[in-house]
Order: sequence, then structure tokens, then C-alpha cells
Amino acid sequence: GAGVSQSPRYKVTKRGQDVTLRCDPISSHATLYWYQQALGQGPEFLTYFNYEAQPDKSGLPSDRFSAERPEGSISTLTIQRTEQRDSAMYRCASSVRANEKLFFGSGTQLSVL
Amino acid sequence: DAKTTQPNSMESNEEEPVHLPCNHSTISGTDYIHWYRQLPSQGPEYVIHGLTSNVNNRMASLAIAEDRKSSTLILHRATLRDAAVYYCILREVWYNFNKFYFGSGTKLNVKP
Repeated sequence: GAGVSQSPRYKVTKRGQDVTLRCDPISSHATLYWYQQALGQGPEFLTYFNYEAQPDKSGLPSDRFSAERPEGSISTLTIQRTEQRDSAMYRCASSVRANEKLFFGSGTQLSVL
Repeated sequence: DAKTTQPNSMESNEEEPVHLPCNHSTISGTDYIHWYRQLPSQGPEYVIHGLTSNVNNRMASLAIAEDRKSSTLILHRATLRDAAVYYCILREVWYNFNKFYFGSGTKLNVKP
């Protein structure tokens, strides 16, 4: 695709519900990152993929958070049993290779009521 | 994890140069210095990066101290469109993969 696409743009959910966020990276980009960004703060690293491998998930805040990229292209970030503190902007970025610059999507704004 | 320190905010007049500083005293020899900026309501966008030598591109210049413990992003003529949060990031290389840790960022306000 022309750029990194994320959906939905906005997601409102009730506490305790599961949510799944989607990221469609630039085609042929090998590396994909997920970030969480609270209002007024910089993006916080969650996890990244190199193709379908997920070498680092150290930034995931709890075991309620998981991500996958089964075919090395589209990725999903799932948050189970959402809590109000999960409310944030979730941003996806991709790069051609692990050593290259990041291209960010517009993000998904998650609100947990 | 290698960290960066930036001023919370800076102000500039339009058409004047802006020097945005970043301290990274714990940088390792293989860390690249990246700068990204985030315009209001948008995702971060790449500005420039470097390793040891100063770098120039159409958006900005990057001046890296000789000991690499600090760097400065230079916008030669600030415009109102340059008002954004600027992030100084160390690209930590771990095996063949990379982590990008964003610092706190500097919010740049450009006055007309």
C-alpha cells in the first residue's frame, strides 16, 4: 500500500471487553512495530516483528496484550479484558528492514469506559 | 536501555534558525541517532539520522558532538509548519534487529 494503514481509527469499548487493532504496513516492509502513546507523551515501544517472527515483546505491559503477524504482512494487536488505563493512541510503524527509518500510521485511538 | 534527554519545550521566531539539543551520555558505539517529529494529531515522521558525522538533508541538519554524547537538530529557517514535538531517539542495535525508544521530546513553538 501507499502508507501504513491502521483500523479502526477510533475504538470505544467497555471495561472488560476484548479489542483487536489492525495494522496494514507498507507492502514489502519486513519490520513492523507497535507503540502505545498516552496524551502528551512520546510513543512507548510495545513489540516488533521481523516478518512473522516476534523477537521482542518486552514492552507489552501485561499478558492481556498480545500481537501477531502470521503471514509477515498484516498485524493485529489484541488487548483482552480491557482496563481504563489501556486508553491511549496505539500506533503502528513499518520499515523496509530492521535498520531503516520508520513510517507511522495514523493510529487507533482506544477509549475504555 | 540507552536514553535521551531533551528540553520539554522551545520557542522560535518564524524564518529564524532553531537548534534543538539532545543529550545521550550513555550512547554505545553502534547506536545511531535518529530524529523524528510529530505534528499535531499525526503520527511521528522521520527527519534525519546519523552515526558520527554531521548530516544534512532537505528538512534539517544534524550536528553530532565528537564524543557522541550529545547532538543538535538544526532547522535552518523555521516555518509555522515546523511547530511539532521533536523526538531524539537512539536506535539500539541488538543482533540484527532494532529497538526504537522515543525520548520525552521537545515541543517546538514557532511564532509568526
